[in-house]
Amino acid sequence: GEDVEQSLFLSVREGDSSVINCTYTDSSSTYLYWYKQEPGAGLQLLTYIFSNMDMKQDQRLTVLLNKKDKHLSLRIADTQTGDSAIYFCADRSNDYKLSFGAGTTVTVRA
Amino acid sequence: ETGVTQTPRHLVMGMTNKKSLKCEQHLGHNAMYWYKQSAKKPLELMFVYSLEERVENNSVPSRFSPECPNSSHLFLHLHTLQPEDSALYLCASSQEGQGLEKLFFGSGTQLSVL
Repeated sequence: GEDVEQSLFLSVREGDSSVINCTYTDSSSTYLYWYKQEPGAGLQLLTYIFSNMDMKQDQRLTVLLNKKDKHLSLRIADTQTGDSAIYFCADRSNDYKLSFGAGTTVTVRA
Repeated sequence: ETGVTQTPRHLVMGMTNKKSLKCEQHLGHNAMYWYKQSAKKPLELMFVYSLEERVENNSVPSRFSPECPNSSHLFLHLHTLQPEDSALYLCASSQEGQGLEKLFFGSGTQLSVL
């Protein structure tokens, strides 16, 4: 499988912006994804970006893609306590497989 | 409710036991997956079934045996597991053949091997 790397932990104050970073190695990635896992639950697709895009905005979420550096980031504006979760970066190459990172645990403190 | 149901939610087993994990999807998807989630490690793809045919087996030890009797059901049969197999086992489904691959996950089975 291809490598997807992300930092393991992020602590952010409520109301601030969170930025979660991810790097990947597969240059043939067609789509890149962010999944969210709340405690006791499975992963849910949060957002995604097609590889020919640089940015995608969806309400409080902004995804930035630097294809040259193989770097993906997720910015959450006005972070709330409900945003506390594990966030997984994933990429999909030309086959059907998704490669996931280890997940970034985001803790929102009051 | 994600449309993917896994049972049991928790399982404790000894190394000599035989048990099975069950997954059912109600989304009409044509592909199903088993993933292993261990702390601080990338999510690990174990098996993929597409149209009920196994298309992926990522060098998983033979003590894990998958079964897909139809497109809605997926099992993972476990026997003579090791303590390092303790993890959260996630089932997922998707509709293949579309450019955007969206996986829908169940809540997982938290497995502890004693």
